[in-house]
Parts: sequence; C-alpha cells; structure tokens
Amino acid sequence: AQTVTQSQPEMSVQEAETVTLSCTYDTSESDYYLFWYKQPPSRQMILVIRQEAYKQQNATENRFSVNFQKAAKSFSLKISDSQLGDAAMYFCAYRSGGIQGAQKLVFGQGTRLTINP
Amino acid sequence: KAGVTQTPRYLIKTRGQQVTLSCSPISGHRSVSWYQQTPGQGLQFLFEYFSETQRNKGNFPGRFSGRQFSNSRSEMNVSTLELGDSALYLCASSFGWGVRETQYFGPGTRLLVL
Repeated sequence: AQTVTQSQPEMSVQEAETVTLSCTYDTSESDYYLFWYKQPPSRQMILVIRQEAYKQQNATENRFSVNFQKAAKSFSLKISDSQLGDAAMYFCAYRSGGIQGAQKLVFGQGTRLTINP
Repeated sequence: KAGVTQTPRYLIKTRGQQVTLSCSPISGHRSVSWYQQTPGQGLQFLFEYFSETQRNKGNFPGRFSGRQFSNSRSEMNVSTLELGDSALYLCASSFGWGVRETQYFGPGTRLLVL
C-alpha cells in the first residue's frame, strides 16, 4: 500500500519570504500523480498544484512550485513571496496511475503553515 | 458554476443512531468520492462513485455505505454510529473517472457523535 509522510506538523514563515514544505511517499508503482492541497481554516480544500510522475519537469503555478525527486520519492512544495492568505493546512497526496485507483487519494498528515506579518 | 455542496454542514447524533450525508457535485461532474477527516487518522478514502456505480472502496466497516443517483448526487450513510465516527466528512467531485481528473472538494459535513 502507498503511504505519504509529511514530517513537519507545523511551519511558520514571515510574510514575503519563501518556505518549503516537505513530503515523502512510498510506492512500488511507476505511474502515479502527486498533489498538494490547501485547506484554510474552516474553508474547503483546494488544489494547489499537481505533478505527473512521468514528467521530469517540476510543476509550477504562480508562486507555488514543487521539487519532485522521483528516485528519492520526495515531493516538496515551495511557496515564494508568502502572503497572509497562504496560511492553511497543506496536504500532500498520492494517486495511483492505474485505472483501479482512479480517484482514490492517499493523504499525508498535513503541515500547518502560519504566515507572520 | 456552483461548487460542490454538502448538506447538512453540521450534525449531532448519539451512539447507535444512523446518519445520512448528502453531496451535490459540480454541475456536469459524474464522479463523487468521499473522505473522512479526523485529527488522529487524518484524511482517509471511503468510497468513490461514477455513473451510479461504486468504483472503489476504502478500508471502512460495512456500517459505512453510499450511493449515487442518476443526477450524480451522492449520499453516504453510517449506521449504528460510534463515538469514533465523529469527523469531518468531505465529498469531492470530478468530471469523469480517470487518473487525469482533478477533484474538487466540498466544505464538508462535521459530524459529532455523543
């Protein structure tokens, strides 16, 4: 079974600075997808960024980028120019590329990110 | 387009009762997945429906069941509630059923079992 580990339960960063959230995963599959989701306090979860395992290029979405190291099974999220609105719980998630597990996401325990003004 | 909606948003039940939660996906979306979120276990996959058929199921006891209607709305039912069923139940929808689909989450239903 696949597992996802986020080793940082909490992180904090000064507004406008850069922060990196860590995620490692364990799988024997070669085809899979990785995601970072953001869950603000009392608000719904939204997708921040996704990475297909077959793509070597790291995904980027505006201020958000990932460092995908397939051999090391590492998938970190970098947030540049942190803003107060970035404060949230961040979840790393894995999804199998096989059709059998099409929509099933396996989540890490989450990292609570605080932005200090 | 309206997002994923879940009703009710909050619910209080007592042990032994049963509960039904509802999820309306984004218009046009045909796939619905359910997750349980607790402080101890985190986010865990319950089940997934596409075109009224359960496509995938997580490791939960048979007390947890679900269904999907022809309009893609989905319900999940928990019978004989236990204290440990207290959680935030999240529903997510996607347009189709496939690995390239992005899931969009609803706000959740917070269930408290006393």
